[in-house]
Amino acid sequence: SQQGEEDPQALSIQEGENATMNCSYKTSINNLQWYRQNSGRGLVHLILIRSNEREKHSGRLRVTLDTSKKSSSLLITASRAADTASYFCATEVPYSGAGSYQLTFGKGTKLSVIP
Amino acid sequence: NAGVTQTPKFQVLKTGQSMTLQCAQDMNHEYMSWYRQDPGMGLRLIHYSVGAGITDQGEVPNGYNVSRSTTEDFPLRLLSAAPSQTSVYFCASSSRQGNEQFFGPGTRLTVL
Repeated sequence: SQQGEEDPQALSIQEGENATMNCSYKTSINNLQWYRQNSGRGLVHLILIRSNEREKHSGRLRVTLDTSKKSSSLLITASRAADTASYFCATEVPYSGAGSYQLTFGKGTKLSVIP
Repeated sequence: NAGVTQTPKFQVLKTGQSMTLQCAQDMNHEYMSWYRQDPGMGLRLIHYSVGAGITDQGEVPNGYNVSRSTTEDFPLRLLSAAPSQTSVYFCASSSRQGNEQFFGPGTRLTVL
């Protein structure tokens, strides 16, 4: 079953604006990751934040993690048309026996950046 | 490095046919996995492997078989294709479970 759930399902903004996407999850995690998928392509890893971290930056990306609320947000600043893609959160959770962990993916947020 | 490669890119099968989706990585990653992506469903884990000779089932394993004879290759076999297996299949690898995963470009499969 899917652990993470992104919100909103779709987001449309003008170029130059900031885009914020949220992810909520149900159980304790080791880490949370964000991925981007351009139409018809494979997923590309953006950023990983561990359960003991609260905020992480990578270029124009800022990720926050609130383990008490079981939620994360991805902020893309000064968006560009090239940021148009689907964005997925993935949580590392224990799976099927001792010491085994898996990434479980949400359904994604579809971001459209209008030039 | 080529990263993760998948073949074929597209495939059409008839119900009951079998086929193998190929996946290879050249990053010496121990962990490999197969996902399927359906509209509105996100990615669901089919099978995974933590190293050569070791495989295990994921969330949706029925109708699929895997083996891992080498570190580099992780083929996915459809035993008797069904229309419900129409999907886009992604292979991924990482240095260990839970780390950043590197995805292949995907195989779009249609079962008639």
